[in-house]
Amino acid sequence: QKEVEQNSGPLSVPEGAIASLNCTYSDRGSQSFFWYRQYSGKSPELIMFIYSNGDKEDGRFTAQLNKASQYVSLLIRDSQPSDSATYLCAVHGSGNTGKLIFGQGTTLQVKP
Amino acid sequence: GAGVSQSPSNKVTEKGKDVELRCDPISGHTALYWYRQRLGQGLEFLIYFQGNSAPDKSGLPSDRFSAERTGESVSTLTIQRTQQEDSAVYLCASSLVAGSESPLHFGNGTRLTVT
Repeated sequence: QKEVEQNSGPLSVPEGAIASLNCTYSDRGSQSFFWYRQYSGKSPELIMFIYSNGDKEDGRFTAQLNKASQYVSLLIRDSQPSDSATYLCAVHGSGNTGKLIFGQGTTLQVKP
Repeated sequence: GAGVSQSPSNKVTEKGKDVELRCDPISGHTALYWYRQRLGQGLEFLIYFQGNSAPDKSGLPSDRFSAERTGESVSTLTIQRTQQEDSAVYLCASSLVAGSESPLHFGNGTRLTVT
């Protein structure tokens, strides 16, 4: 079992729709979770981070965390073609480790 | 500096040669990370530093790979006797401190091609 798992996609949604990206992780003690966006040929950039169970909203983005189910998701409302990219889920392990493990990423395509 | 700086941006080398990749983190960031990304793949953790120490180097693929950091600043990733499977983008990132609540900021990467 991979430490952080994502469906590679591609996930295709029409412009204006809600895109839902999902991630599961294996370390039950993980405490912090990040979503990064990576455009083709570019480096990852941070979108959001979440530490507590529940929802966290930032503009069109909402991160959802359920530690009991070891599940974290990212919702993108009113999807735009400029949102087309690969979305990477990243998880810090339990304990005092600084190691940050990334999933394989989900490719999102927003069609005009 | 304003962001994480990596050099060179591109490196083409012959199989069997040694290469050094450099990373300058954001000023004041005590943690520094190295990742490898093969074409179409995710980010593969290699090593991270807190200060000049490397608490976790579990991702280094073999003893041909080594990394060091000095002055709690610049880091160098060295690959000895390069192989074609080493071809990838090597990404460096820094954060205020290694740990749970510190997001990573990435450099633009070094694209390594081994011929």
